[in-house]
Order: sequence, then C-alpha cells, then structure tokens
Amino acid sequence: DAGVTQSPTHLIKTRGQQVTLRCSPISGHKSVSWYQQVLGQGPQFIFQYYEKEERGRGNFPDRFSARQFPNYSSELNVNALLLGDSALYLCASSFYQSTDTQYFGPGTRLTVL
Amino acid sequence: AQKITQTQPGMFVQEKEAVTLDCTYDTSDPSYGLFWYKQPSSGEMIFLIYQGSYDQQNATEGRYSLNFQKARKSANLVISASQLGDSAMYFCAMRPASGGSYIPTFGRGTSLIVHP
Repeated sequence: DAGVTQSPTHLIKTRGQQVTLRCSPISGHKSVSWYQQVLGQGPQFIFQYYEKEERGRGNFPDRFSARQFPNYSSELNVNALLLGDSALYLCASSFYQSTDTQYFGPGTRLTVL
Repeated sequence: AQKITQTQPGMFVQEKEAVTLDCTYDTSDPSYGLFWYKQPSSGEMIFLIYQGSYDQQNATEGRYSLNFQKARKSANLVISASQLGDSAMYFCAMRPASGGSYIPTFGRGTSLIVHP
C-alpha cells in the first residue's frame, strides 16, 4: 500500500506570495495533520483534520489555513509568505484523531526568498 | 501544557552496541501516548515505537524498546545492536488521549551517529 504522499517536494517562493501544499493520506486513514519543522527543531503542530472537520489548531497566525476533502486528502495554504515560513512542511495521517500512530509523508521543503 | 525534553543534542555509538536516547515529558493529562520517530537526512519521519500511558509493559519493536517509567515521566528509547543505518535524528513525541484535544508535542531531537 502507498504511504502518505505530499506535493510538491520542493518549492521556492518570494515574500508576500501565497503557497498551497498538498497531502494524500494512507488509504483508509481519516485524519490528517500538518506540521512545520524549521532547521534544528522538532515538528511544530499546525492543524489536524478528522472527517473533514478541523479538530485541532496550533499556535500559528491566520495566514495559515487548511482543509480536508471528501477523499480525505488535504491542502495547507499559507498567505503573505514571510522569510520565517521557510521550513519543511510535514503531513501525517492516522485512522483516528486520538493517540493513533501518525505516519508521515516525505515533506515539502519551502524556501521563501 | 505539554512539554517534551530531549537533553542529548548528539550521541555517538559503536556499531553493534546498544544506545539509550533520553526523553522526559510533562503533562497534566491522565491518559496519553508516547512515540519515537526517526528522521534520516532525507527528511521523512519514520515511526519506530508507541507506548500508551496505561500500558503495563514496556513496548518493544524489533531492535527498539521503550523504557517507560511513569512516575519519573520518562520514556527512553533503547536501540540494541546499532547499525550504520541507524544514524539519524530521533524525536520523542506525546499526544494526549483525553479532554478532546489531541495536539501532539515533539521534542527538539537527538542526533545519533553510529561509528563502524
């Protein structure tokens, strides 16, 4: 079975632009979470969606938004990009939303110039 | 609020030897799950092992075992018979299992280098 997939792999944007990152969960998984990982740190939780509803939000500004589609895939949108948004963005899926093990995708590396 | 502390920024081990990576946590949640992930230089987070807060026995998965001491709030990862491919960043994480909020918290990670 295919694991979690993310696209694109790499992305270069300039300050002020907008970006959309995409994630497809493992087949059968209904929960998708998004994380930001800056260099030298652990992943920071951004959003969790379960059954197409937002079930958790981390301490990120309103420039960050996400949604989950009927097929359980998800998009993360970031508006008005700042240099500090440069990071590895990781998507993880699990069957349920609680302590179910999350399986991560390969990530999207975003560089903001 | 939850907190995960990994005090070892870097660890070195000889191939075929065992190594322990430390993790302490702080939470007020009565029920929670503890996880360890491996992150090679490629960036993908690879799930290694899970321990529930009410599990009576320490979790084991092949060469990985989790030394869970609930009273001390520690969840150390033990890797037996280290291999060169074990060289990577290792992250400890926790997710609450009650209260309606399942927001996970990760530590800063420990870099493990396995020498031949």
